[in-house]
Amino acid sequence: EVQLLESGGGLVHPGGSLRLSCAGSGFTFNWHSMSWVRQAPGMGLEWVSSISSNGDHTYYAESVKGRFTVSRDNSKNTLLLQMNSLGAEDTAVYYCAKCRHNCQKENLEDWGQGTLVTVSS
Amino acid sequence: DIQLTQSPSFLSASIGDRVTITCRASQDISSYLAWYQQKPGKAPKLLIYIASTLQSGVPSRFSGSGSGTEFTLTISSLQPEDFATYYCQQLSSYPFSFGPGTKVDIK
Repeated sequence: EVQLLESGGGLVHPGGSLRLSCAGSGFTFNWHSMSWVRQAPGMGLEWVSSISSNGDHTYYAESVKGRFTVSRDNSKNTLLLQMNSLGAEDTAVYYCAKCRHNCQKENLEDWGQGTLVTVSS
Repeated sequence: DIQLTQSPSFLSASIGDRVTITCRASQDISSYLAWYQQKPGKAPKLLIYIASTLQSGVPSRFSGSGSGTEFTLTISSLQPEDFATYYCQQLSSYPFSFGPGTKVDIK
């Protein structure tokens, strides 16, 4: 059974940093591209970032480009999201998602339960 | 960037009703569209991908159609467990985008 377990969320002050992790199990982690999607309270889904299976290619939403960095450690089956210069607009539940193989032209077929990031003074 | 719109944004329906949700893209995305279902407090769940392919384990009352810029998600006979919010997503090109969602509520 595929499992994706996010961690690292919490309360952070504006301008601060946070690193999210997503531990994958039940599948061959290094065969799949991965993504982060967030959802602000009471709002819709927003794609944040994707990374290829070997980590060579990364993609970002304009709203986080230059502030967030996605990476992965395939030896530990872990996806990471380093978030810097956080603002109130980054407050959301952050989901990691496993792509069917690639994300582009395919889908986000499995999702974690999400981790809440709250940016507030 | 590709923008997605969904209609309606909210619909009220009864058990057994046929329900259709429309998603429109601001430019041609071929068939690279997925549909997700989300219930309150839960992660989204993939229903349909490449516009019309049913994800494994998803009931056959769900179906998708369309290509280019106009797509539909149809629930042939609404069941109690189908009351949720539905999102479309384009995966044709980065940056990916989601539609604003359609909330399906009980009449």
